[in-house]
Amino acid sequence: GAVVSQHPSWVICKSGTSVKIECRSLDFQATTMFWYRQFPKQSLMLMATSNEGSKATYEQGVEKDKFLINHASLTLSTLTVTSAHPEDSSFYICSARADTQYFGPGTRLTVL
Amino acid sequence: GEDVEQSLFLSVREGDSSVINCTYTDSSSTYLYWYKQEPGAGLQLLTYIFSNMDMKQDQRLTVLLNKKDKHLSLRIADTQTGDSAIYFCAESMAPGGYQKVTFGIGTKLQVIP
Repeated sequence: GAVVSQHPSWVICKSGTSVKIECRSLDFQATTMFWYRQFPKQSLMLMATSNEGSKATYEQGVEKDKFLINHASLTLSTLTVTSAHPEDSSFYICSARADTQYFGPGTRLTVL
Repeated sequence: GEDVEQSLFLSVREGDSSVINCTYTDSSSTYLYWYKQEPGAGLQLLTYIFSNMDMKQDQRLTVLLNKKDKHLSLRIADTQTGDSAIYFCAESMAPGGYQKVTFGIGTKLQVIP
């Protein structure tokens, strides 16, 4: 079946630094990937839709300058959290679109 | 806007059946999904149903849809400890993420040995 990986699986960083999270579709090509954020005991909230070769589409209320998305190839999308602050600490999950959405295992970001 | 609601918690004994319920508000929802999330992991698609169906069965899983009441349920027969996880109900107007997928808050299923 279709497999989506994320790297890193967890990261701890200092406030003010930037963190890059990778999302890869391992055995299929995905022109569209999605980035979600999940706070503890809450549902997944769509942050943005990442389209290969074009600008990402951000959901209302998501700062595009803070959450930079790059979808440079058909198998890789990256999310960079710039100038991270403790309130950015969350579980970030990506998914890649094929016949359905296939989800990555998530990345736990903790900002100190 | 779209809204998907679920109860937060369900506890069952191993071997019993589990029923997780979900309600949604968007009458144009065409695809309704059930996802499973184990601790620290991403989401795994369990099953989905089209809005023109009333029921779908897949091994131990049975999905029932009452479109009139906008009510969706997931029944897990012979629940096992490995079924302990958070189950998300979700809806979209198109398959595969061609339209936005809206998730419920998730129901935590605890299976007691």
